[in-house]
Amino acid sequence: GNSVTQMEGPVTLSEEAFLTINCTYTATGYPSLFWYVQYPGEGLQLLLKATKADDKGSNKGFEATYRKETTSFHLEKGSVQVSDSAVYFCALSARGGSEKLVFGKGMKLTVNP
Amino acid sequence: NAGVTQTPKFRVLKTGQSMTLLCAQDMNHEYMYWYRQDPGMGLRLIHYSVGEGTTAKGEVPDGYNVSRLKKQNFLLGLESAAPSQTSVYFCASSANLQGYTEAFFGQGTRLTVV
Repeated sequence: GNSVTQMEGPVTLSEEAFLTINCTYTATGYPSLFWYVQYPGEGLQLLLKATKADDKGSNKGFEATYRKETTSFHLEKGSVQVSDSAVYFCALSARGGSEKLVFGKGMKLTVNP
Repeated sequence: NAGVTQTPKFRVLKTGQSMTLLCAQDMNHEYMYWYRQDPGMGLRLIHYSVGEGTTAKGEVPDGYNVSRLKKQNFLLGLESAAPSQTSVYFCASSANLQGYTEAFFGQGTRLTVV
């Protein structure tokens, strides 16, 4: 079946540090890939997405590239801010099979000033 | 623009009690979902709907029922609550099931069963 494996943390960084959150997937067909973010006390919201191999999704300084050869979609940001403190979820939606969103377990990030 | 609205936001139930969680969306989305979020487990799909009058089981459907009588509403019912159903519940909606378009989430319902 379809699945997502991501770094679980929690992770604590200092402001302006570099962030990488690893995400790998297993899927039938050709999935679309997503990163969602959950700020404290809120629901999830889409951070970025990529729908085909080699696509790069980007938003708010975050980037992730769809790597079909390594089945990965790692999230990166060059300089994190305190306001980036949140839980980050990698997710996929596979075409031609079970199209429902499948989430990783989430990673809590805390950024200290 | 309200998006996805869940009611209630918090609830405490005694074991064996029943309750219904309401989800309403104003984006005319066809697809709606109920997830539960537990520490270390991520989000797990309970039930979903591909349109008015339809429902289907997700990953963890036992102990829950759902109804989609109107396109904008998706109800999640617990007939006899158990402590294992203590969780945060999220409703979401999207324009299509394949996830090519964004899924919008409500702010969640924190349910405690004692």
